[in-house]
Amino acid sequence: DSGVTQTPKHLITATGQRVTLRCSPRSGDLSVYWYQQSLDQGLQFLIHYYNGEERAKGNILERFSAQQFPDLHSELNLSSLELGDSALYFCASSVPAGATDTQYFGPGTRLTVL
Amino acid sequence: LAKTTQPISMDSYEGQEVNITCSHNNIATNDYITWYQQFPSQGPRFIIQGYKTKVTNEVASLFIPADRKSSTLSLPRVSLSDTAVYYCLVGVNNAGNMLTFGGGTRLMVKP
Repeated sequence: DSGVTQTPKHLITATGQRVTLRCSPRSGDLSVYWYQQSLDQGLQFLIHYYNGEERAKGNILERFSAQQFPDLHSELNLSSLELGDSALYFCASSVPAGATDTQYFGPGTRLTVL
Repeated sequence: LAKTTQPISMDSYEGQEVNITCSHNNIATNDYITWYQQFPSQGPRFIIQGYKTKVTNEVASLFIPADRKSSTLSLPRVSLSDTAVYYCLVGVNNAGNMLTFGGGTRLMVKP
């Protein structure tokens, strides 16, 4: 158990709908990262928040958005869903530790768009 | 960000030592090298991290030559449960800068 929690574990929805994925980082971690992993694909970095502020954006679609709240939990919002958005969505958290950093990943949310 | 190159897949047998090499020719002076392991449908898990020479922990060893343009993850006496994807990452994650996961190496351990 990494200490990072994600809800829900599974989500099934229809095309055109909107969903919200939630991530609670490890206690004390200031950074939250979101990744998308499609079937048999590598991890695609989506977005990174540090202490409530957006730090970096990766291959995140305009239909997707995220935010990190004052209590440091984060939500990833996916709208106008398409079949191709079906994937595992992971969040990870970390705390800066000198010049190195270790990301701790949650168990993921499996999104199925029908 | 330094680009990494790893073999797409490797096969091994139980009890053997497995070495997975990662190339990172444009590694920067401040960059660290980190390896993660991912089982199917699970989030990646940190294995080991190093800057130069050799690092060893209870799970693996990491060998980094003097020029730091490559690194080798060594898994001693693998078992079936070591079947997973292994990712090599290079960069500095100070104050939350991002690291990039490449395609990883899919290790299959056979009985």
